[in-house]
Amino acid sequence: KNEVEQSPQNLTAQEGEFITINCSYSVGISALHWLQQHPGGGIVSLFMLSSGKKKHGRLIATINIQEKHSSLHITASHPRDSAVYICAAQGGTYKYIFGTGTRLKVLA
Amino acid sequence: NAGVTQTPKFQVLKTGQSMTLQCAQDMNHEYMSWYRQDPGMGLRLIHYSVGAGITDQGEVPNGYNVSRSTTEDFPLRLLSAAPSQTSVYFCASSRGLGGSYNEQFFGPGTRLTVL
Repeated sequence: KNEVEQSPQNLTAQEGEFITINCSYSVGISALHWLQQHPGGGIVSLFMLSSGKKKHGRLIATINIQEKHSSLHITASHPRDSAVYICAAQGGTYKYIFGTGTRLKVLA
Repeated sequence: NAGVTQTPKFQVLKTGQSMTLQCAQDMNHEYMSWYRQDPGMGLRLIHYSVGAGITDQGEVPNGYNVSRSTTEDFPLRLLSAAPSQTSVYFCASSRGLGGSYNEQFFGPGTRLTVL
């Protein structure tokens, strides 16, 4: 069993739909990161969470420390949101464990 | 700011050849790292550095060497390339410890094929 698991692995949505991507982890963490990998390959950091909830534009990230679970929500999805979304558990100062990613495709 | 830069973007090697993947950042970040990304697997840490002159091994260090002579540069050396090293390599940096300082900035990646 992987220490960081994401679901679903693949997701296709229609433009405008509300999207949820889940991340469960089995290790103790100091922070949970959400990353976006563009179709061209570049990776950007979206959120870093240690508790509660963060919002940036149409993106919302939540974390439940007790349940070791985090979710990334996208409201009013758009084709430009199509990407791979990766969660990473920061277990120590320099230790990051990455999930395998959720491939999202938003259709116009 | 150029952020994190990597060269080359693409490289094809023959088994046994050596090469260096370059990584540089202009954000004065202390922490730099190298990851490899393989299909169906999460990013895996190869080596990391917490400052000039200080490096340490990550999860998959075999076959790779690193050095950190300056804050800006963190090259990754493949000593004798093997087909198992075919992968996409990402360099990343962050300011350091605590709070938002742990946000990592990634380079654009180097796609390496070893024949």
